[in-house]
Amino acid sequence: DTGVSQNPRHKITKRGQNVTFRCDPISEHNRLYWYRQTLGQGPEFLTYFQNEAQLEKSRLLSDRFSAERPKGSFSTLEIQRTEQGDSAMYLCASRTSGELQETQYFGPGTRLLVL
Amino acid sequence: AQKITQTQPGMFVQEKEAVTLDCTYDTSDPSYGLFWYKQPSSGEMIFLIYQGSYDQQNATEGRYSLNFQKARKSANLVISASQLGDSAMYFCAMRETDRLAFGKGNQVVVIP
Repeated sequence: DTGVSQNPRHKITKRGQNVTFRCDPISEHNRLYWYRQTLGQGPEFLTYFQNEAQLEKSRLLSDRFSAERPKGSFSTLEIQRTEQGDSAMYLCASRTSGELQETQYFGPGTRLLVL
Repeated sequence: AQKITQTQPGMFVQEKEAVTLDCTYDTSDPSYGLFWYKQPSSGEMIFLIYQGSYDQQNATEGRYSLNFQKARKSANLVISASQLGDSAMYFCAMRETDRLAFGKGNQVVVIP
């Protein structure tokens, strides 16, 4: 297994367009997380799944954002009607469930630029 | 309120020297975990080291060690024998419930 993968790696879009990102976690990991990182900041939590269930959503996740993990494997994050403030790096991470100190392993991220 | 504080400005370190990156945290939960991640310019967050709040010994992973001072709520990362490939941003993070809260990071540049 090669770790967490994310596609696309880069996305440029115009304001008002919809975008969708994909995350494929490490195969045996049943927990999947989305974070957003803006320039000069650390990542901020958006949401996470255990298998197909979305267990927690941050207040950062406005109603223009939706995340799914329909079969408990890969996940998608969609942003509708993008705004320039959505420009950021979107990071996905995964881990096994169980002990809470289990490490979250991150993918390479998707860099979004909204023009 | 800021849960993780990393306030050092960008740091330059000579190759083969050691560098210490400061991290302080704030929590009232007796059970928590602390992590350090490295983020090179490519953007990927690379896990370095973990320290649990109940761990009796400071964590070590190769050239990385964590100086955990629970009473002071600090979890400083020490990188020994710096290499050019260590040039990156370094983030301290704390597990709260099942999410990670990150600091703003420390920039490290290793010079030959």
